[in-house]
Amino acid sequence: DAGVIQSPRHEVTEMGQEVTLRCKPISGHDYLFWYRQTMMRGLELLIYFNNNVPIDDSGMPEDRFSAKMPNASFSTLKIQPSEPRDSAVYFCASSLGLAGGFTDTQYFGPGTRLTVL
Amino acid sequence: DAKTTQPNSMESNEEEPVHLPCNHSTISGTDYIHWYRQLPSQGPEYVIHGLTSNVNNRMASLAIAEDRKSSTLILHRATLRDAAVYYCILRDRNGGSQGNLIFGKGTKLSVKP
Repeated sequence: DAGVIQSPRHEVTEMGQEVTLRCKPISGHDYLFWYRQTMMRGLELLIYFNNNVPIDDSGMPEDRFSAKMPNASFSTLKIQPSEPRDSAVYFCASSLGLAGGFTDTQYFGPGTRLTVL
Repeated sequence: DAKTTQPNSMESNEEEPVHLPCNHSTISGTDYIHWYRQLPSQGPEYVIHGLTSNVNNRMASLAIAEDRKSSTLILHRATLRDAAVYYCILRDRNGGSQGNLIFGKGTKLSVKP
C-alpha cells in the first residue's frame, strides 16, 4: 500500500483565499484524522471521521475551517478565507478501527505545508 | 493537556543504546502507553505500545515500571536515522476523547556519528 497520501505537499496562498487540502487514507481504514502542527501549539487534532461520518470536530479552530469525507477514499480540509495564522503543517492520518479506532495505530501522511501570506 | 512528562532533548552516540524516559504518574488502569516518533519533515510514525508488561518489536523495546507511573523507550543501537522527536502518549483503551492521540512536546533525540 502507498500509505496515506496528501496533496498538495506545499501550498502558498494569500490572505483571504480559499485553500483545500486533500487526503487519501489507506484502503480499508475506517478512521480518518486531520491534525495541525505549529511551533507554538505543537500537534493538535482538528477533526476525525469514522466510516465517512464526522465524529468529533471540537478541535476545529473556527468556522473558517471545514472538513468533508464524501467517500471512504477521500477527504478534504478547507479553509475559507485563509489567514496568516493558519500557516502550519497539516497532517492526515488513518487507522483500521479494530479497537474502536482509539487505540489503533494511526498512520500519518507526509503533511501539507501551508503558508498564508 | 498531555498527561506525560518527557525531557526536552537527549543526545546519543551512533550504535549505542538510548533510553528515553517518560513519567505518567496519573496513569489510569485503562491507559495504554504509546510511543510515536516524528522524523524531520515527516509525519509521526508509530513505534510501540504497551499496557503492563514490557514489550519488544523490531524498532524498539518498551520497559514499563511495576507501578506503571513511568516507562522507558529503549533503542538498542541508535542510528543516525533515529534522530527524531519521540512522543510518549497515554490512550484510554475504552476510547472516547481520552483515546485520542494527544501529543505533548516530546523528546528531541540527536544522534552523533
